[in-house]
Amino acid sequence: QVQLQQGGAGLVKPSETLSLTCAVHGGTVSESDWSWIRQPPGKGLEWIGEINQGGSTNSNPSLGSRVRISVDTAKNQFSLTLISMTAADTAVYFCARVSHGDYYYNMDVWGEGSTVIVSS
Amino acid sequence: QSALTQEASVSGTVGQKVTLSCTGLSNSNGPYAVTWYQQLPHGSPKIVMFGNALPSGIPDRFSGSRSGSTASLTISGLQPDDEADYYCSTWDYSLSAVVFGAGTKLTVL
Repeated sequence: QVQLQQGGAGLVKPSETLSLTCAVHGGTVSESDWSWIRQPPGKGLEWIGEINQGGSTNSNPSLGSRVRISVDTAKNQFSLTLISMTAADTAVYFCARVSHGDYYYNMDVWGEGSTVIVSS
Repeated sequence: QSALTQEASVSGTVGQKVTLSCTGLSNSNGPYAVTWYQQLPHGSPKIVMFGNALPSGIPDRFSGSRSGSTASLTISGLQPDDEADYYCSTWDYSLSAVVFGAGTKLTVL
């Protein structure tokens, strides 16, 4: 059974870069597609983006070119990089496995979440 | 900004049936199924329904439906453990992105 373990910095200064990782346990990172989702304090979920088995990525237009998602097969993990952080990026960040097919897109396994605070 | 609209809050008593709605489905979502996530306080989201399919381990008190631009999640025989935030989600072709509703806080009285 696949489990996801998140890691990365909790406090980021404004204008700096966020780096988070998500280690895959009980499975192989190359065998699935993966997503990142975030949740600002007291608010709802926002999809950040995804990376597929072929290494192609897709991100939420609202975040523009600030997002980079990558896979490290040697470490069996995938990562999120978000540049030019501002206070509006303060949120709990979740990683998730994507299960999708004909006309459905599900995030069926989730990490525990990483709290990220943007503050000087 | 959510393209999908959900009630901010819904409440019900133990044993009651409640229905949560998700409106705003459009051609941008095509035939994509709506997925419903349950998020317990301080927890990670969990799928409780996609389309009208019940994931393994989810009690059949949960059911899903769709009519036109609205998807619904119905919970029958409401239990205290059902108290959570519920989010609807689907794919948006025009954005090439997943969209979520703003979420409904379900309170079990």
